[in-house]
Amino acid sequence: GAVVSQHPSWVICKSGTSVKIECRSLDFQATTMFWYRQFPKQSLMLMATSNEGSKATYEQGVEKDKFLINHASLTLSTLTVTSAHPEDSSFYICSARGGTGGTYEQYFGPGTRLTVT
Amino acid sequence: TQLLEQSPQFLSIQEGENLTVYCNSSSVFSSLQWYRQEPGEGPVLLVTVVTGGEVKKLKRLTFQFGDARKDSSLHITAAQPGDTGLYLCAGAEGGSQGNLIFGKGTKLSVKP
Repeated sequence: GAVVSQHPSWVICKSGTSVKIECRSLDFQATTMFWYRQFPKQSLMLMATSNEGSKATYEQGVEKDKFLINHASLTLSTLTVTSAHPEDSSFYICSARGGTGGTYEQYFGPGTRLTVT
Repeated sequence: TQLLEQSPQFLSIQEGENLTVYCNSSSVFSSLQWYRQEPGEGPVLLVTVVTGGEVKKLKRLTFQFGDARKDSSLHITAAQPGDTGLYLCAGAEGGSQGNLIFGKGTKLSVKP
């Protein structure tokens, strides 16, 4: 159980275009979803936290107008990178946390490799 | 913001050797999780420790949470090439519903 999927697994886009990444919890309801960014040989950097039906909370330094997050249902969150530039190229990973009271665990998706040319 | 120091950052060993990875903080965490990540994939949860002094075993992997819930260790016995990967510790800040704070990771390479 506790499977999280991401789509697409990789995407190449041209500078100036927008890209949408989907994150789904397949076998549980995710009250909270998280979006991370990971650069080569580095750890995960939290970008934003989203709760179903409410606006995402962005970490300091993350542009909310550039990285649009929607958490419309308990099983789906989307990250849209708007007007992408080469510096946005990275590995984007989502994670999901479900249940209530004492549920500490987050389950991660397989990641999406974004390359902006 | 709580910080997690993970060491060593890199570790290259021969098959059959033992190793220990450490995760330390000056802050108390409500829980701590260990993940393993392979290149191009998302982290996979290995274990969650919650109680101070707790020890959990997962085959050849032994995880320990410090008594004060400020540190944790991962010990691998008789490492195998399949253990190669990036090991990440992550502490939950601000209670059970808090965000995870990740260490920088330990890149383990086990050579046959």
